Amino acid sequence: QVQLQESGPGLVKPSETLSLTCTVSGGSISNYFWSWIRQSPGKGLEWVAYLYYTGSTNYNPSLKSRATISIDTSKNQFSLKVKSVTAADTAVYFCARRDYSRYYFDSWGQGTLVTVSS
Amino acid sequence: QSALTQPASVSGSPGQSITISCTGTSSDVAAYNYVSWYQQLPGQAPKLMVYEVNNRPSGVSHRFSASKSGNTASLTISGLQAEDEADYYCSSYTNSIWVFGGGTKLTVL
Repeated sequence: QVQLQESGPGLVKPSETLSLTCTVSGGSISNYFWSWIRQSPGKGLEWVAYLYYTGSTNYNPSLKSRATISIDTSKNQFSLKVKSVTAADTAVYFCARRDYSRYYFDSWGQGTLVTVSS
Repeated sequence: QSALTQPASVSGSPGQSITISCTGTSSDVAAYNYVSWYQQLPGQAPKLMVYEVNNRPSGVSHRFSASKSGNTASLTISGLQAEDEADYYCSSYTNSIWVFGGGTKLTVL
């Protein structure tokens, strides 16, 4: 069974860049879509971005081009960078998997809390 | 403000049935049969409970059922059990992105 594990700094300063990595184990990163989804403290879920293992990507317009998602198939990892962060980017960030031609997320990581604060 | 509207909370006694609504628009819930529901226990990742409006993944109890009418989707949990107490989120695909509801906290009395 596939497992996803997020990793990255838990604290980022305002105006700097948030960087997270999701490591996929128990299965190949190929042939699937991979997403980042975040949850602000005490609030709902917000889809951030996805990429296909071939490198095609799409982003939530709400992030206004601040986000970049990328993949390293040799390491079975994909990553998220969000630049110019503010307190509003404080959230638990989840990585999640979506099967080709499916429109739901069937496997999720446990999530990692990122706090934006000076 | 979330893209999809859910009640903030619902409650029910063990054995009863409850329904959680999820209201979207003609561009998301009404436009696609790609509504999914997730259960989130405290401190845990969301778990897929229903996909494509009314399909249950393997391993999800038959007590969970769902439907859609127009721009409103619904999740029904029958025979409530204490273990069902959690936050529930709906989600819909729309124009190459995904939108979620604000979540509904289910309390089993």
